[in-house]
Amino acid sequence: DSGVTQTPKHLITATGQRVTLRCSPRSGDLSVYWYQQSLDQGLQFLIQYYNGEERAKGNILERFSAQQFPDLHSELNLSSLELGDSALYFCASSVDRGPYEQYFGPGTRLTVT
Amino acid sequence: KNQVEQSPQSLIILEGKNCTLQCNYTVSPFSNLRWYKQDTGRGPVSLTIMTFSENTKSNGRYTATLDADTKQSSLHITASQLSDSASYICVVSAGAGKSTFGDGTTLTVKP
Repeated sequence: DSGVTQTPKHLITATGQRVTLRCSPRSGDLSVYWYQQSLDQGLQFLIQYYNGEERAKGNILERFSAQQFPDLHSELNLSSLELGDSALYFCASSVDRGPYEQYFGPGTRLTVT
Repeated sequence: KNQVEQSPQSLIILEGKNCTLQCNYTVSPFSNLRWYKQDTGRGPVSLTIMTFSENTKSNGRYTATLDADTKQSSLHITASQLSDSASYICVVSAGAGKSTFGDGTTLTVKP
């Protein structure tokens, strides 16, 4: 158990809909990262937040957005969902904003039908 | 463009045998290199993390090496077990939270 929690574990929704994925980092970690992993593909970095502020952006679509709240939990919002958005979405946390070891959550499996 | 290339893409070995996975990178400036193990459908778990000044790091039966001059790293697994079957991912960080992930090597250990 990494100490990072993600909810929900599974999510099935229809094209065009909007969903919110939630992540709680390890106690004391200030950085949160979001990743997308499509079937049989590698991890794609989406976005990083550090202590409530956006820190780094990766290959995140304009239909996707994220935020980190004062209690340090983070949410990833996916809108106008397409079939290709079906994937595992992982959240990771680290103690600081630099390239420190990241601890991954169990992931949320999103299926868009 | 920062890139991380891993080889082989997949590997099948017999239980008890050793194996070595490779990672070549062109990430600059270099901050650290991490190896993760990812079981199917689960989140990656960190195995080792190495900075520029470290050229080897061990974690049980896993030993990672780093050659910063040639920009190559390897992960050596000793006396493989069935539970080692997983995807092994090499991640190179350039600082400021920017990390580049390799596509991973899928290892299958057969009895």
